[in-house]
Amino acid sequence: DQQVKQNSPSLSVQEGRISILNCDYTNSMFDYFLWYKKYPAEGPTFLISISSIKDKNEDGRFTVFLNKSAKHLSLHIVPSQPGDSAVYFCAASVVSGTYKYIFGTGTRLKVLA
Amino acid sequence: EAQVTQNPRYLITVTGKKLTVTCSQNMNHEYMSWYRQDPGLGLRQIYYSMNVEVTDKGDVPEGYKVSRKEKRNFPLILESPSPNQTSLYFCASSLTILPGSPYNEQFFGPGTRLTVL
Repeated sequence: DQQVKQNSPSLSVQEGRISILNCDYTNSMFDYFLWYKKYPAEGPTFLISISSIKDKNEDGRFTVFLNKSAKHLSLHIVPSQPGDSAVYFCAASVVSGTYKYIFGTGTRLKVLA
Repeated sequence: EAQVTQNPRYLITVTGKKLTVTCSQNMNHEYMSWYRQDPGLGLRQIYYSMNVEVTDKGDVPEGYKVSRKEKRNFPLILESPSPNQTSLYFCASSLTILPGSPYNEQFFGPGTRLTVL
């Protein structure tokens, strides 16, 4: 049972436009959400996070939105750059009782120059 | 340089031959974790450790063992590897894992590609 889902395996966007990556989750106990970026042959690197008590967090070109009622998370990248081309994973942490991280299956973003 | 290191980076082995993948971090992090990445399945957590001598199962612990005798090291042990453990493995660490903490960010190692024949 996939508790964190990224339903779009891939996404292509023109340079300078907005990239929107989506993530859905099923467990209402998740209280912290993170996005990671992964380039080939490297480990994932942290991008941005959001606590469940917030609905938006912004860091430069990256903004994460959280809709708890819909159990939906999205990452906006504006403007998109070719260097943003990577696989993006969303992750959720379950801190009450366990200390696990559940990752989605990833979305491959390609930013076209 | 703050980092998570893994060794070896690549390993080809045969079914049943015990192996250990080492993981070390130099950031004094409390939380450490092992993941495997498989096509179409994303990253799945194998084991994690809250601190020295405190470990617990992630989502896919079968066939793996871990230990945390020192804060900086968190080796992954495959006692009797099987072909279904062929995967890309990542070790990660974070300062903590507390609700709402800004220090939950995990730093990942470069990965170990394991092939079990």
